[in-house]
Amino acid sequence: DQQVKQNSPSLSVQEGRISILNCDYTNSMFDYFLWYKKYPAEGPTFLISISSIKDKNEDGRFTVFLNKSAKHLSLHIVPSQPGDSAVYFCAAPPGNTPLVFGKGTRLSVIA
Amino acid sequence: DSGVTQTPKHLITATGQRVTLRCSPRSGDLSVYWYQQSLDQGLQFLIHYYNGEERAKGNILERFSAQQFPDLHSELNLSSLELGDSALYFCASSDAQGTNEKLFFGSGTQLSVL
Repeated sequence: DQQVKQNSPSLSVQEGRISILNCDYTNSMFDYFLWYKKYPAEGPTFLISISSIKDKNEDGRFTVFLNKSAKHLSLHIVPSQPGDSAVYFCAAPPGNTPLVFGKGTRLSVIA
Repeated sequence: DSGVTQTPKHLITATGQRVTLRCSPRSGDLSVYWYQQSLDQGLQFLIHYYNGEERAKGNILERFSAQQFPDLHSELNLSSLELGDSALYFCASSDAQGTNEKLFFGSGTQLSVL
C-alpha cells in the first residue's frame, strides 16, 4: 500500500521550459513533505521541503506547491536545465517514523 | 559528497549465499537508515538504528539483519540470498532521533544475485 504515489515514471521537457513533477499521498496526517533528487550512481540528495502549514515553498528555480484538500503536491522547475535530468522522489515522514518515498519520476531535460 | 560511505559499491554473488554491506554515517550522525531500491519499486525502508539501538523496522525480510556498532558504523547482513534480492541498497544518516527530514544518503551498494 503506497502512501506516497508518483504516477508518472518519466517526463521529458525542453531546456528552458517548465518541468512539473507530481506526487499524491493518501495519509491526511502527513504534515511535512520532501523532494529528493538522484543522479545515476549516486544516492538521493535532499532538494526542497514543505510544511503543511504552507502551500508553497520556493528555492531558486525550484518551487513546491502543496494542495492539502487534494492530497497533492507538485515540484516546479523553472527554467529547466540539462543538469536537472535525474530521478526525483517525493517523500513524507508518517509520524515519527522513517521517510516513505514514492517510486520516483525520471526527468529528462532535452537541450 | 554526502559524507556517508558505503562499501562495497558492487557485489555479485550466487543464490543461497550471505553478504554483508557496510555503512559509515556522516561524522556526528547517530541515526543510520537502510533502504532498498528494486527495479520497479521506490525506496523501501528496511530498518533504522539510533546510537546502536534499533528504532524502527520496515519491510525487512527475516533473512536480513542489521546492527550498528559503538563507532556508529552499520552493517546489513543478507543471507540465503534469492534472485529477487538483487537491488540497490542505500544507507542514510541523520542527526535526528526520530523525525527524518534531510537524510543524507550514501551512493549505494548494487547487489546482483545470480
